[in-house]
Amino acid sequence: EAQVTQNPRYLITVTGKKLTVTCSQNMNHEYMSWYRQDPGLGLRQIYYSMNVEVTDKGDVPEGYKVSRKEKRNFPLILESPSPNQTSLYFCASNPGSTTDTQYFGPGTRLTVL
Amino acid sequence: GNSVTQMEGPVTLSEEAFLTINCTYTATGYPSLFWYVQYPGEGLQLLLKATKADDKGSNKGFEATYRKETTSFHLEKGSVQVSDSAVYFCALRLIQGAQKLVFGQGTRLTINP
Repeated sequence: EAQVTQNPRYLITVTGKKLTVTCSQNMNHEYMSWYRQDPGLGLRQIYYSMNVEVTDKGDVPEGYKVSRKEKRNFPLILESPSPNQTSLYFCASNPGSTTDTQYFGPGTRLTVL
Repeated sequence: GNSVTQMEGPVTLSEEAFLTINCTYTATGYPSLFWYVQYPGEGLQLLLKATKADDKGSNKGFEATYRKETTSFHLEKGSVQVSDSAVYFCALRLIQGAQKLVFGQGTRLTINP
């Protein structure tokens, strides 16, 4: 089954404790992205990757890092989480064409205390 | 800049009512347009899309027409069901650059029996 998986689905942590949210897709897609969803703001892109070892900032990259060592995986790293990073996070992938559908993971709800 | 504006929610309707959720956009160039739906506790799923002016996207009884002259992509359904209760996001996708989706803020729809 074609899918994007994220782990963990729920996470409560404390300020400053490094964490990683994993994302994996099994569709051999070139493009992968991370979004955060906040009430009243919709989804905003954090980082994206156009292929292995190619990543770039989206609209709200501050406080986040990513890596793309393999085509299928695109982890999101919070080196020193802060309460303003409490949000719902979605990973997405798509083959590459501008008209192609983006496939979203199920989301990771992160709370930073 | 590029942006999407959706009608304010929440929207509450009775079953079998007619639904319209307004969406207008601002974009440089000619984007592709999308409606995504998010059911409670789930990730986003593509509902429908249109890739050029005057295209009509349709799925599950929902329709939206890409209107370049009014820069709009309003979502409509003739007779809603309780199972349509969800959050609906209008989005555009740029041809160049980050391959990202630019989302509206989302409209929460509740259908009462």
